[in-house]
Amino acid sequence: DAGVIQSPRHEVTEMGQEVTLRCKPISGHDYLFWYRQTMMRGLELLIYFNNNVPIDDSGMPEDRFSAKMPNASFSTLKIQPSEPRDSAVYFCASSLPPGGAYGLYGELFFGEGSRLTVL
Amino acid sequence: GESVGLHLPTLSVQEGDNSIINCAYSNSASDYFIWYKQESGKGPQFIIDIRSNMDKRQGQRVTVLLNKTVKHLSLQIAATQPGDSAVYFCAENNEAGRRALTFGSGTRLQVQP
Repeated sequence: DAGVIQSPRHEVTEMGQEVTLRCKPISGHDYLFWYRQTMMRGLELLIYFNNNVPIDDSGMPEDRFSAKMPNASFSTLKIQPSEPRDSAVYFCASSLPPGGAYGLYGELFFGEGSRLTVL
Repeated sequence: GESVGLHLPTLSVQEGDNSIINCAYSNSASDYFIWYKQESGKGPQFIIDIRSNMDKRQGQRVTVLLNKTVKHLSLQIAATQPGDSAVYFCAENNEAGRRALTFGSGTRLQVQP
């Protein structure tokens, strides 16, 4: 049973270049999250989708960042133009909706991350 | 791969001992808490969660304790094994209606054989 799949696993690019990170959530999960992890700031939520619709993008740092989810099985996070301070590990996560006796939340399943280095 | 800060608190324990990892949260309105484990080069992995109307929940070898009075959360790992070596994060849902987790800075657990 495949988990959340992210690509690329590693990317090194030069400042000013466009970067596109990709994510395939677990089939049947209708929530998708993009997180960023850095040494200084830890894990930060950038944006999340429900049923392919962006619900909250208040964590997106600035207009250089954009995220899309054209269908239930694919999402992209794009940085254009990239800057050295964007260097981080970007995680995608997916989950089922909250439900059940416990169900305020629903477990997040994370991908292995995309490590981005902007020179 | 490096995923957390250079100055991450570290807990070093002997294999077979019990581990207790602590976490303080700031928002008294938080109603859901969760512990994640992150191994080097991997994404965070769910361990256990707890709602604010509970003060204890047990899983396999793990127990989470919640003290709302002092806004403190702990993760207890029984009979710690080398495979438990990782960074552990607590996270809270602290914005009503916003389905998002706020993660703590993490604690590195090192298990000595």
